[in-house]
Amino acid sequence: DTGVSQDPRHKITKRGQNVTFRCDPISEHNRLYWYRQTLGQGPEFLTYFQNEAQLEKSRLLSDRFSAERPKGSFSTLEIQRTEQGDSAMYLCASTFSGTPLYEQYFGPGTRLTVT
Amino acid sequence: GENVEQHPSTLSVQEGDSAVIKCTYSDSASNYFPWYKQELGKRPQLIIDIRSNVGEKKDQRIAVTLNKTAKHFSLHITETQPEDSAVYFCAAGAQKLVFGQGTRLTINP
Repeated sequence: DTGVSQDPRHKITKRGQNVTFRCDPISEHNRLYWYRQTLGQGPEFLTYFQNEAQLEKSRLLSDRFSAERPKGSFSTLEIQRTEQGDSAMYLCASTFSGTPLYEQYFGPGTRLTVT
Repeated sequence: GENVEQHPSTLSVQEGDSAVIKCTYSDSASNYFPWYKQELGKRPQLIIDIRSNVGEKKDQRIAVTLNKTAKHFSLHITETQPEDSAVYFCAAGAQKLVFGQGTRLTINP
């Protein structure tokens, strides 16, 4: 499978614990995006990388959230001290950089449940 | 801040009829406007996109129109089929995408 993959697919954690998600983009893509999607809503932008550089982070994103893409390939999203409001589907997408944008290919998502 | 409004939130049409979903955006720098289809429990998948130098694009039963002056764009699905039932999202942006709230489309046989 050469599409975008995410791991784990599901994560249940207790409030206050830290969690880390991984995204493996399509190998040729140099752009990687993270989104959060809650039930009945559209994906909400969190942050994006071009190669290993984090170019933008949502102003609404708490400082409990951090993301990395150390070698310009896979990326991790960490949430520290999780809260019940963090429960959502976390989606990753990859694409080529360009102006205008190219198609973003989404991964299957990681569903986080905070109890 | 950047915002994308999508209407209607739910749409029910008879099989074979047309469906239209409309979006408006606030960021005049937006130059890319994709539409995604998301089935229950699945990832969003691109069905059609349009760039700001084009006013209309068609792919079989699906078409998108863009009015940059008015900052709105629309999705048109003709000859709807039961497999078109899903949630549809519009999005707009330049280097990142802002998504609309989604439209749940139901095709009644």
